[in-house]
Amino acid sequence: GAGVSQTPSNKVTEKGKYVELRCDPISGHTALYWYRQSLGQGPEFLIYFQGTGAADDSGLPNDRFFAVRPEGSVSTLKIQRTERGDSAVYLCASSITGGPGGELFFGEGSRLTVL
Amino acid sequence: GQQVMQIPQYQHVQEGEDFTTYCNSSTTLSNIQWYKQRPGGHPVFLIQLVKSGEVKKQKRLTFQFGEAKKNSSLHITATQTTDVGTYFCAYVSDMRFGAGTRLTVKP
Repeated sequence: GAGVSQTPSNKVTEKGKYVELRCDPISGHTALYWYRQSLGQGPEFLIYFQGTGAADDSGLPNDRFFAVRPEGSVSTLKIQRTERGDSAVYLCASSITGGPGGELFFGEGSRLTVL
Repeated sequence: GQQVMQIPQYQHVQEGEDFTTYCNSSTTLSNIQWYKQRPGGHPVFLIQLVKSGEVKKQKRLTFQFGEAKKNSSLHITATQTTDVGTYFCAYVSDMRFGAGTRLTVKP
């Protein structure tokens, strides 16, 4: 596609449930980032992929969060045993460069609401 | 990662007034990027600064990188209602974002 695609755009779930959020980056972009953004806050870094591997996962808040990018393109952010505090917009961004520093192209985000 | 300090948190101006937001770091930065996020939208890349003392202009927007590469600023001359949004700086070394400055413009 022409831009970064994220699905679902909205997800409402109950506390304790498992959630998967998908990101389809711009074709050819090797770098992929996940952020989450709460209302009135800046994007909070979660994880950065270079190709298939997680180059930096230091932003994942705890072991309930996990992300994969098995073929170096589409990525899935997985959240286990969701908590109300996980409610936020989850943003995915991709970049053409082979390392940190390229222009980030963001998707529209997946809004997660945990009841 | 490095701490990204951005001020002010909010700025409300009358249309036609100028606006400036600042990013500060206690350590030297390799380079810095600026993004704009419109209400309800996603961040959009504006510019990247690399060199010490660098100044770049985009129409009414002026971006500066400090001589010591520890701070950066974005200045908008004669704001318009289309400038409304939140402006973020991001440290390129680890792509972490500042908290942003939310700009509102009164027509």
